[in-house]
Amino acid sequence: DIQMTQSPSTLSASVGDRVTITCRASQSLSSSLAWYQQKPGRAPTLLIYKASSLESGVPSRFSGSESGTEYSLTISSLQPDDFATYYCQQYNSYSQWTFGQGTKVEVK
Amino acid sequence: EVQLVESGGGLVQSGESLRLSCAASGFSFSNYNINWVRQAPGKGLEWISYISYSGRTIYYADSVRGRFTISRDNAKKSLYLQMDILRVDDTAIYYCVREGLGPTVDAFDLWGQGTMVTVSS
Repeated sequence: DIQMTQSPSTLSASVGDRVTITCRASQSLSSSLAWYQQKPGRAPTLLIYKASSLESGVPSRFSGSESGTEYSLTISSLQPDDFATYYCQQYNSYSQWTFGQGTKVEVK
Repeated sequence: EVQLVESGGGLVQSGESLRLSCAASGFSFSNYNINWVRQAPGKGLEWISYISYSGRTIYYADSVRGRFTISRDNAKKSLYLQMDILRVDDTAIYYCVREGLGPTVDAFDLWGQGTMVTVSS
């Protein structure tokens, strides 16, 4: 099974900060990686797919990148609505989808 | 409106069974692969089952294989999860989740609101 190691688990930041969350995969994903945002009491929503493609309707301050087996989600200028928990997910291994452990972005 | 709506959650005792349903609307349900993903209280997301658009291909996570059964009825635009021999660690919110087509193929592009399952000892 492909393992996803997401870091940090918690990130304290202020409005306007540039924020980066990282996921490392145990093997190549061929860009089959997505990022989701989850707010308390709500279902997750898709932000990024194919490692760097922005889902329709998602603000352009969100971006994704990859370098080998390391994947990153960057928020260029953190907004009040962005305080939430973020998850990466690999979907390269058909039959065993796996999520990262999550990163909670909280107010500094 | 494009949406997935889960139902059937509740409080059961360890060893009992429960059947979850997911009703789709606003899109061509029969064209999409669908998954169940769960989230234990205060924990992260765990994929547990997949069913292809036709129902012919099914996968399970090790944690539920042999106890849970996924199925679908495309005529009723509905997905089901039969959960047997429930354990306390099955306590979670259960989400019905659609896999995308086109550009978002295979990513989970539509989530239901979730239904809570609580298993007591």
